Amino acid sequence: KQEVTQIPAALSVPEGENLVLNCSFTDSAIYNLQWFRQDPGKGLTSLLLIQSSQREQTSGRLNASLDKSSGRSTLYIAASQPGDSATYLCAVRTNSKLTFGKGITLSVRP
Amino acid sequence: DAGVIQSPRHEVTEMGQEVTLRCKPISGHNSLFWYRQTMMRGLELLIYFNNNVPIDDSGMPEDRFSAKMPNASFSTLKIQPSEPRDSAVYFCASSSPSTGTLETQYFGPGTRLLVL
Repeated sequence: KQEVTQIPAALSVPEGENLVLNCSFTDSAIYNLQWFRQDPGKGLTSLLLIQSSQREQTSGRLNASLDKSSGRSTLYIAASQPGDSATYLCAVRTNSKLTFGKGITLSVRP
Repeated sequence: DAGVIQSPRHEVTEMGQEVTLRCKPISGHNSLFWYRQTMMRGLELLIYFNNNVPIDDSGMPEDRFSAKMPNASFSTLKIQPSEPRDSAVYFCASSSPSTGTLETQYFGPGTRLLVL
């Protein structure tokens, strides 16, 4: 059974800092890995999707990497802003199912 | 497109009552997913449909939960009878497999359920 772990559960950083969010998964037989953002009281929004054959994806200040063999992914956020404050969830896809981590709640202090 | 639409957004009910959650997927999407999110367990897949047919309901916690998708534009998740431990946020998501492994799921805003 696939398990996805995100540690720590919460993170607080000052504005402008570069930061890395970690995700690990137990079964490397995945189709893809996604990072989602969830704002309080809202649904999830997909940020980046990395196919199993890819090593990384970039969108603006976000960069996600994937090391499938070791079961790890990182989400790098450059020059963090207060607007980046949210919960970030990692999810891996096997067949048609997504398995989610519990998320990392990020707070960026002005 | 309006995105995935869920109703109601909030529901407060008493233990033992029937609860029905509704979802309208994005037009053209043929896969629909129901998730439950709690602090303790995170986001869990309850059931998903492909072309209106239930494919995997292994995440449905017990017989009190049932889901239907009578057509491509509507699905319901029903809890009967409801219990306090069912209190959670229930999300509906839809996707289109036309992009293969690039397929991503689009989530609705969720229904926040509180069972007293």
